[in-house]
Amino acid sequence: DVKVTQSSRYLVKRTGEKVFLECVQDMDHENMFWYRQDPGLGLRLIYFSYDVKMKEKGDIPEGYSVSREKKERFSLILESASTNQTSMYLCASSSAGLAEQFFGPGTRLTVL
Amino acid sequence: GIQVEQSPPDLILQEGANSTLRCNFSDSVNNLQWFHQNPWGQLINLFYIPSGTKQNGRLSATTVATERYSLLYISSSQTTDSGVYFCAVLPISIFGTGTRLQVFP
Repeated sequence: DVKVTQSSRYLVKRTGEKVFLECVQDMDHENMFWYRQDPGLGLRLIYFSYDVKMKEKGDIPEGYSVSREKKERFSLILESASTNQTSMYLCASSSAGLAEQFFGPGTRLTVL
Repeated sequence: GIQVEQSPPDLILQEGANSTLRCNFSDSVNNLQWFHQNPWGQLINLFYIPSGTKQNGRLSATTVATERYSLLYISSSQTTDSGVYFCAVLPISIFGTGTRLQVFP
């Protein structure tokens, strides 16, 4: 079975802090994705990566950056957290092409 | 860009009832997935279905790509079916806003 893990289930940070969210997949997938989920808005794509060191902006990249130094790991970085970044963050991975995505358990981030 | 609409937004059922959830998309897509988000937030893959019909136990899905819609059927619903159901179109990863299903005993 595909396994996607995220570093924290719940996270509380202060405004202005630098925040790292980590995602690891164990299926040698080429593609990895970061989404945020907010009530009434569904899931929105922040960034995705189709290869090591490659990244593409999704629908809402402002205020975020990403890093993919190894194939199995994709990090989402909030350089200076703000209260409007309080959300559920979900990571996913898929093999190359149009393959189905598999999701991690999510991280509920609260920025105070 | 592509718009994805799901209906109904909310659905309340008694255990044992059947239901149909719909996903409409505004343009041609290469693929479509259905997910169930459980009360703990985990997204569980249900179907990966570019076209045609698939069945898995009490659940089945049909995608008619030429008419730009997909349907998810839940038969003999159980309380464990409660949660939010999402469809997502690929490769652009656009999600609908979901159908919230509540099944009562």
